[in-house]
This record gives sequence, structure tokens and C-alpha cells, in this order.
Amino acid sequence: DVKVTQSSRYLVKRTGEKVFLECVQDMDHENMFWYRQDPGLGLRLIYFSYDVKMKEKGDIPEGYSVSREKKERFSLILESASTNQTSMYLCASSSRDGSTNEKLFFGSGTQLSVL
Amino acid sequence: DQQVKQNSPSLSVQEGRISILNCDYTNSMFDYFLWYKKYPAEGPTFLISISSIKDKNEDGRFTVFLNKSAKHLSLHIVPSQPGDSAVYFCAASYHMLTFGGGTRLMVKP
Repeated sequence: DVKVTQSSRYLVKRTGEKVFLECVQDMDHENMFWYRQDPGLGLRLIYFSYDVKMKEKGDIPEGYSVSREKKERFSLILESASTNQTSMYLCASSSRDGSTNEKLFFGSGTQLSVL
Repeated sequence: DQQVKQNSPSLSVQEGRISILNCDYTNSMFDYFLWYKKYPAEGPTFLISISSIKDKNEDGRFTVFLNKSAKHLSLHIVPSQPGDSAVYFCAASYHMLTFGGGTRLMVKP
């Protein structure tokens, strides 16, 4: 069974802290994504990666960075957390196979609260 | 500006009746459309999809309809069951996926 694992289910941080959100997938997928989910706004893409050491900005990259040192792991970094980054963060992966390219497999999410 | 919109934030339906969830989009370049379902404390899971060359795709109780001229997508669930209660996201693809804001469906026993 396919699996995308996010390291924390809930996280509480203080303003200005550096925050790391980790995501690991076991499906040997090339593509990995970080979204945030906010009420009424749906899922918005922060960053994505099509290969190791490769990263591309999504729709809302400001205040975030990412790291992909290994194929199975994609990390989201909040350099200096702010209260407007309080949100549900969802990691996803997909195969580069054209027939399933758009079908994403999601982790369970990390609810981050920045105080 | 949101390219994919779900104008109903919530929908309540009686068990056994039909649920119709709607989605509108603005970008005519979208060529693939998907619906995802999300339960609380879980990530979204893929439900059903449709290519822009089709106008209907059916999978059991779930049917997705696409009206390209109106740039409108809908998901029909028949019959609705209490276990269908979840948030439903529509998504449209042109190289990348763009998600709508979601509709919370509540199916009452």
C-alpha cells in the first residue's frame, strides 16, 4: 500500500522560530509537493520537486524554502515562522508516469500553529 | 484570482438521495479534472477524474460531468451514504494541479 508519511501531526512554534516539516514517501515517486490548506482557499501549492536536488516555486513560496537531498524525502522549511503561516500543511507525491501524473498521494497533514 | 472555484462551502443531503457538488473554472487550457475527498485528520484521497475530451465518467456511485462550454464540472453521488460525509475538492490540471476551495458534504442518516 502506498504511503506518504509526515513526521508530525501537530506542531506548535513561536514567532521567529525556524521550522522543519518532513515528508517521506515509499512509492519511488519522482514528484513531490508541499501544499497548505486554509478554509475557503482550498489547497495552495507552496513548492514542488521533480527530481533530487531540484525545486520549483509554486503559487505561494514566500516565507518558505525546501530541500530534496534524497528521492524519498522532501522537507519544507519556514525560515522565520510567522502567525500567518498557521495552517494545515500537506505533502504529496506522484509518479512521472503520464497516466497518473496528476494523481497525487497525500500524507495525513501537519497542523502547524505559530504563536 | 482563483481559477477553480467551488461556490458552495457546504452541502447537506439526506441518506439515499443524490449529492451534487459543483465546480467552475476559468482557464480553458485545463485538460484534466479530478475530485479528491478529505476526511478530518487524513490527507485528501483521489476519487474520480475526467479528461477534457470526455463529458462524463462513472465509477460506481460516483459520476463526474464536464461541460466545457460552460467551464463547469460536477460530481454526482447516488445514493449518498453517511460515510460520504467529507470535504470534496475539485482540481484542474494544465501541467500542474489547481484546487478549488472545497465543499463540505454532510449526509444525514
